[in-house]
Amino acid sequence: IAGITQAPTSQILAAGRRMTLRCTQDMRHNAMYWYRQDLGLGLRLIHYSNTAGTTGKGEVPDGYSVSRANTDDFPLTLASAVPSQTSVYFCASSDSAGGGSYNEQFFGPGTRLTVL
Amino acid sequence: GQNIDQPTEMTATEGAIVQINCTYQTSGFNGLFWYQQHAGEAPTFLSYNVLDGLEEKGRFSSFLSRSKGYSYLLLKELQMKDSASYLCAVSDSNYQLIWGAGTKLIIKP
Repeated sequence: IAGITQAPTSQILAAGRRMTLRCTQDMRHNAMYWYRQDLGLGLRLIHYSNTAGTTGKGEVPDGYSVSRANTDDFPLTLASAVPSQTSVYFCASSDSAGGGSYNEQFFGPGTRLTVL
Repeated sequence: GQNIDQPTEMTATEGAIVQINCTYQTSGFNGLFWYQQHAGEAPTFLSYNVLDGLEEKGRFSSFLSRSKGYSYLLLKELQMKDSASYLCAVSDSNYQLIWGAGTKLIIKP
């Protein structure tokens, strides 16, 4: 693994189903993030984790949950998917949650999710 | 509320220079990032400014004026591969990134 991987690449899901998007990084970064990207809107933060064992809510957390059991993995779960959750989901990581150019965020390739 | 404004789309000619503007209103400021995102791909880091002034990195430069809540990304000697969206993001008082919707740059031969 090099950088950040996400799975699946894309998924079509029936409304009401449960879905977990996977994210793994091998850079030993402390901070990880989940964003959704919708046409005409900027990236919006769903949840974040500043370090393993801790998580926090972002701008649009409703309907999503996360866990951070270890440094490398940060799965995002949709408990009961709804059509408004159709989006492209990006996982990102940074060395730490503080400022500075060294805390640039590195992004995974994204998961394209369609909820019908 | 927090707000980042960028033009939706810009068109430029191969070999020319283009300036993409970004204005922001955020709760606190801990730096401004520019990212490039090609269609269907992930954003990748271009530049970071935290102090006023110009940061130059090859063909790309980024400028910041904190008093005006303003930044621009300057791309010189445009190449076809520069066709992409350019995202402006501000690190707020909690070090969370607030993102603009992005500027789609179209390069014409």
